[in-house]
Amino acid sequence: GAGVSQSPSNKVTEKGKDVELRCDPISGHTALYWYRQSLGQGLEFLIYFQGNSAPDKSGLPSDRFSAERTGGSVSTLTIQRTQQEDSAVYLCASSLVYGETQYFGPGTRLLVL
Amino acid sequence: ELKVEQNPLFLSMQEGKNYTIYCNYSTTSDRLYWYRQDPGKSLESLFVLLSNGAVKQEGRLMASLDTKARLSTLHITAAVHDLSATYFCAVDRTGTASKLTFGTGTRLQVTL
Repeated sequence: GAGVSQSPSNKVTEKGKDVELRCDPISGHTALYWYRQSLGQGLEFLIYFQGNSAPDKSGLPSDRFSAERTGGSVSTLTIQRTQQEDSAVYLCASSLVYGETQYFGPGTRLLVL
Repeated sequence: ELKVEQNPLFLSMQEGKNYTIYCNYSTTSDRLYWYRQDPGKSLESLFVLLSNGAVKQEGRLMASLDTKARLSTLHITAAVHDLSATYFCAVDRTGTASKLTFGTGTRLQVTL
């Protein structure tokens, strides 16, 4: 069966540009998570969606970061006015319901020049 | 603030040897997870530990949880080269809706 998919797999952008990262969770999974993995900070939680509830945005590092989830499925993470410190691998995960094992996608490797 | 610490950060071991990776966390947790990450790849779920005293085994890996000590261990038995990867523990802090806090990771290198 299909796992979590993310696109693009790699993204190179210039400082100050906006980027959009996409995540397709496993079909039927109600919970969706975004994490960031960087050399300096390790793996960090960014945002979490559960069904139709308001997302938990407590991990977003600044107001340049936002995410939405349409129709309870696909999610888009948007970074506005990118900075070099935004360079990282952005990982999406989904789980059947809250608290169940999270299955991770392959990640989007973002490089801000 | 929940802190999750792993040690060692790097482990080089010979095939056939046994070793243990430790994961300490600083506050009450509902669940503890172990993940594996191969270079350039995403995270693969290994174990979910749900209660004090939980022990799970898969092949040469065995994970255990002591919630009173806030400690989990990942024991490697008779290591083989295919186990070379980075291993992360992650903790789901009580009441935070499954928001995982990850450890620093342990990079395991099994030499022939």
